[in-house]
Amino acid sequence: EPEVTQTPSHQVTQMGQEVILRCVPISNHLYFYWYRQILGQKVEFLVSFYNNEISEKSEIFDDQFSVERPDGSNFTLKIRSTKLEDSAMYFCASRGQGRPETQYFGPGTRLLVL
Amino acid sequence: AQKITQTQPGMFVQEKEAVTLDCTYDTSDQSYGLFWYKQPSSGEMIFLIYQGSYDEQNATEGRYSLNFQKARKSANLVISASQLGDSAMYFCAMREGGTSYGKLTFGQGTILTVHP
Repeated sequence: EPEVTQTPSHQVTQMGQEVILRCVPISNHLYFYWYRQILGQKVEFLVSFYNNEISEKSEIFDDQFSVERPDGSNFTLKIRSTKLEDSAMYFCASRGQGRPETQYFGPGTRLLVL
Repeated sequence: AQKITQTQPGMFVQEKEAVTLDCTYDTSDQSYGLFWYKQPSSGEMIFLIYQGSYDEQNATEGRYSLNFQKARKSANLVISASQLGDSAMYFCAMREGGTSYGKLTFGQGTILTVHP
């Protein structure tokens, strides 16, 4: 069964450093998303992406964040200058066109900012 | 106001028994979707079941069913014949707005523990 994959599974970085989180969505999916989950809290929407542009973004998704689909398979989230509060699990999700409208999540990247 | 409310921080159930996890939602949209995801201790988010606001029948997927009561704005997850592997965090989520590819808004989650 096709699945969303994410790399790395864990990343530790120093405050102020740039990180790039990578995702490979399900191959025929057209809509892509990033969510994050701070430890012990609920999952929060960051950004959605369709047709090579951002469809919607949350207040969390400020100028420090950017997304890109550099080729036909990868979907990346970049955090330019990480802060301690960026420590969280970051999930990539994708969905196909039409029904079902289910968003399928990847296994997540656990980011720790020191 | 919370869009998705899960009032049960934790639930316990005996193996092979059924359990209901509560979810209420708040939206003024006519078209929306409701989802349940399972998050085991390993951290991944596993899709369980989906209910569209215009679907007349309650959704079912194997041992999972969604008790959709539109007038009460509730979308409770029923797990029948609980198994030890069902022990996990369960999140209710809603997609609202006119487009079916909109963001999901999640509730706080319910931790389910299945006892042998």
